[in-house]
Amino acid sequence: GAGVSQTPSNKVTEKGKYVELRCDPISGHTALYWYRQSLGQGPEFLIYFQGTGAADDSGLPNDRFFAVRPEGSVSTLKIQRTERGDSAVYLCASSLAPTGQGQFFGPGTRLTVL
Amino acid sequence: AQSVTQLGSHVSVSEGALVLLRCNYSSSVPPYLFWYVQYPNQGLQLLLKYTTGATLVKGINGFEAEFKKSETSFHLTKPSAHMSDAAEYFCAVRDSGGYNKLIFGAGTRLAVHP
Repeated sequence: GAGVSQTPSNKVTEKGKYVELRCDPISGHTALYWYRQSLGQGPEFLIYFQGTGAADDSGLPNDRFFAVRPEGSVSTLKIQRTERGDSAVYLCASSLAPTGQGQFFGPGTRLTVL
Repeated sequence: AQSVTQLGSHVSVSEGALVLLRCNYSSSVPPYLFWYVQYPNQGLQLLLKYTTGATLVKGINGFEAEFKKSETSFHLTKPSAHMSDAAEYFCAVRDSGGYNKLIFGAGTRLAVHP
């Protein structure tokens, strides 16, 4: 079956612009996670959805970051007024239930803010 | 707070040699532990996981890891390295607070030379 997909694979934007990053999880997976991976680092947790609701958004760095999952499937990570420090790979993962059995990751979106 | 430490940001082995990637964790509760592999420009792929039960766990591609509670370690091994094993490897522990997020180490880049 299809894995987690993310679009776009690459996004280049200018400082101050708004961007949206999309994640399409594995069909039937109720749990969805966003992580951010900076160069040379491991992924860092941003937000977790169980169904349509954000059960844990403690990793969002500030109020410029927002994510939605309106129908409990596809999720969009939204970043307002982008800054150069937002440049990173944004990873999405999904699982059938919270992480007892491991999360399945998408290929990521590489965001570059000029 | 939980954390993961991966000793050695870069490891280089000869083809056919033993692979040993080190991971130590801190956790206030019995941990769930994971190893992920990341090939260039790809997402993270689950190699293996420890939740409960047998402390020696086997994963894909001939890798295995042993949970040692007394040493708070979860080192990854493979008896004989193959060129295709060259990648970045991440150890992760499930966060005890929310039962959802994963906390990753900084990663170890494995190089395999002929």
